[in-house]
Amino acid sequence: EPEVTQTPSHQVTQMGQEVILRCVPISNHLYFYWYRQILGQKVEFLVSFYNNEISEKSEIFDDQFSVERPDGSNFTLKIRSTKLEDSAMYFCASRYDPNTGELFFGEGSRLTVL
Amino acid sequence: DAKTTQPNSMESNEEEPVHLPCNHSTISGTDYIHWYRQLPSQGPEYVIHGLTSNVNNRMASLAIAEDRKSSTLILHRATLRDAAVYYCILRPANAGGTSYGKLTFGQGTILTVHP
Repeated sequence: EPEVTQTPSHQVTQMGQEVILRCVPISNHLYFYWYRQILGQKVEFLVSFYNNEISEKSEIFDDQFSVERPDGSNFTLKIRSTKLEDSAMYFCASRYDPNTGELFFGEGSRLTVL
Repeated sequence: DAKTTQPNSMESNEEEPVHLPCNHSTISGTDYIHWYRQLPSQGPEYVIHGLTSNVNNRMASLAIAEDRKSSTLILHRATLRDAAVYYCILRPANAGGTSYGKLTFGQGTILTVHP
């Protein structure tokens, strides 16, 4: 069964460092998302991406965050200068159908900022 | 988005049916009812969704009240692998495009399954 894959599974970084989280969505999917979950808290929407541009973003997704789909298969989330409060699980998700259909999530990348 | 209310936790025994309730009294006529679950240390996983009629798939059944102000996710025979957090989420049917994937998760119901 096709799946969304994410790397790395766990990354530890120092505050102020840049981090790139990578995702390979399911190959024929057209809509891509990043969510995050701080330990013990709700899963939160960060950003949606379609046709090589951001469609919608939450208040969390400030200028420190960026996304891109550099080569037609990977979908990346970059945090330019990490803060302690960026420590969380980051989930990538994708879907094909524009109007219905389930969202497929990856297993997540755990980011720890020290 | 309209709000949903779920119990914080529920328990079940293995191989018994589980009924997970969700209240959504402010649901609008165009809101779909979606259920996702999150197994420990994993990303959320789609379970089922519906609009007005009851729905069945290989994972579960969704029973929707006639007034649509509540719904129940039914796991017919719980297994240990069904232990997870279950989320009831409303999605507007007219939120096409990327908005359809913007899910608003609540705290969900933590389901514990006893052997």
